[in-house]
Amino acid sequence: ETGVTQSPTHLIKTRGQQVTLRCSSQSGHNTVSWYQQALGQGPQFIFQYYREEENGRGNFPPRFSGLQFPNYSSELNVNALELDDSALYLCASSLDTQSRGEKLFFGSGTQLSVL
Amino acid sequence: GENVEQHPSTLSVQEGDSAVIKCTYSDSASNYFPWYKQELGKRPQLIIDIRSNVGEKKDQRIAVTLNKTAKHFSLHITETQPEDSAVYFCAAFRTAVRSSASKIIFGSGTRLSIRP
Repeated sequence: ETGVTQSPTHLIKTRGQQVTLRCSSQSGHNTVSWYQQALGQGPQFIFQYYREEENGRGNFPPRFSGLQFPNYSSELNVNALELDDSALYLCASSLDTQSRGEKLFFGSGTQLSVL
Repeated sequence: GENVEQHPSTLSVQEGDSAVIKCTYSDSASNYFPWYKQELGKRPQLIIDIRSNVGEKKDQRIAVTLNKTAKHFSLHITETQPEDSAVYFCAAFRTAVRSSASKIIFGSGTRLSIRP
């Protein structure tokens, strides 16, 4: 196990609703990144947080937003849900963005279904 | 835009044979190349990685090679076993430098099946 925990494990929402996903990073890790993994696809980078600030973003619209807290845990918020948002959302923590921070430790993910 | 192409998308090999998965990346600033194994319903797990200043790395039955000039890297699994069956993802990572954020792009995955 990686020590990265995500909640909830499964979630069902309807189109237009808002959702908040949570992630607790591995002890000692100060960087958290979020990924969207559609069925049969590789993870797509959403954004990364380092010391409570966004530090890199993929090609996702502004309705995907996030937070990182002083204890380095993180939230992913998605507004105005669309059917295509249905996917597995993975959180990964790492030690640092500039020093061996590339090694990602993934959580088990939140499976989001939008109906 | 920048991308990582991974081939093949599916691969079936006889138990005991070798499996090779190949990836090509476009971002010449990428400097770290991990491989992840994802079993059904589970999280991706790092199985091996290589940095841009190294051409080859081996860990027991798993090896990765990198050709930085050609921008491609490969995963080699020898003496395959049933527990090697999973989806494998390559990724190309660019470490953050000054105000430029780090960036990682994953391949689309290879579903490896080991036939008994």
